[in-house]
Amino acid sequence: SAVISQKPSRDICQRGTSLTIQCQVDSQVTMMFWYRQQPGQSLTLIATANQGSEATYESGFVIDKFPISRPNLTFSTLTVSNMSPEDSSIYLCSVGGLNTGELFFGEGSRLTVL
Amino acid sequence: AQSVAQPEDQVNVAEGNPLTVKCTYSVSGNPYLFWYVQYPNRGLQFLLKYITGDNLVKGSYGFEAEFNKSQTSFHLKKPSALVSDSALYFCAVRDGYNQGGKLIFGQGTELSVKP
Repeated sequence: SAVISQKPSRDICQRGTSLTIQCQVDSQVTMMFWYRQQPGQSLTLIATANQGSEATYESGFVIDKFPISRPNLTFSTLTVSNMSPEDSSIYLCSVGGLNTGELFFGEGSRLTVL
Repeated sequence: AQSVAQPEDQVNVAEGNPLTVKCTYSVSGNPYLFWYVQYPNRGLQFLLKYITGDNLVKGSYGFEAEFNKSQTSFHLKKPSALVSDSALYFCAVRDGYNQGGKLIFGQGTELSVKP
């Protein structure tokens, strides 16, 4: 399994600001995934980040709101732009095997927007 | 389209008793099935998976799950529950034939084990 580090672990932000979440993996991976877990809810995939190409966004998520960078095979960032209280969630970075599909998750970044 | 259902929002068991957390799935192709656990203020931890082979799969912390194709179920079980098993459990599925297919998670089941 991979070791995944996320920063920040939690933050409290003001409405209208933006926050960038970092995800560092201890090994090279082709695909990195960003999930959102709203309070009391399940995980929803935001986008898939491939190194060297644009991220692929799921229905309901757009690049202007959630820009993603993937500069190399061990690192990715997710920015939550122009935040509103509805963006208060846990944001989770994950990596996984293409063949077997299991994902390994970071500890998550707990974001509260006031 | 893929989907996962966890019919119980919460399961309560007494310590030492067996526990079952239910999961049913729908997938057009070959199901790859997973269970994850989330402790408070933590990320998700992988528990076990079914890809192929024996229908009964064993995983971390003494958990096991049984794949039942006819009932499209993948219930999580443990013979003797511990208080430390109290956590949020997620079932997930992906279409094994689709190598790029995403992992779909159920709504989660809160397991509470009382002493």
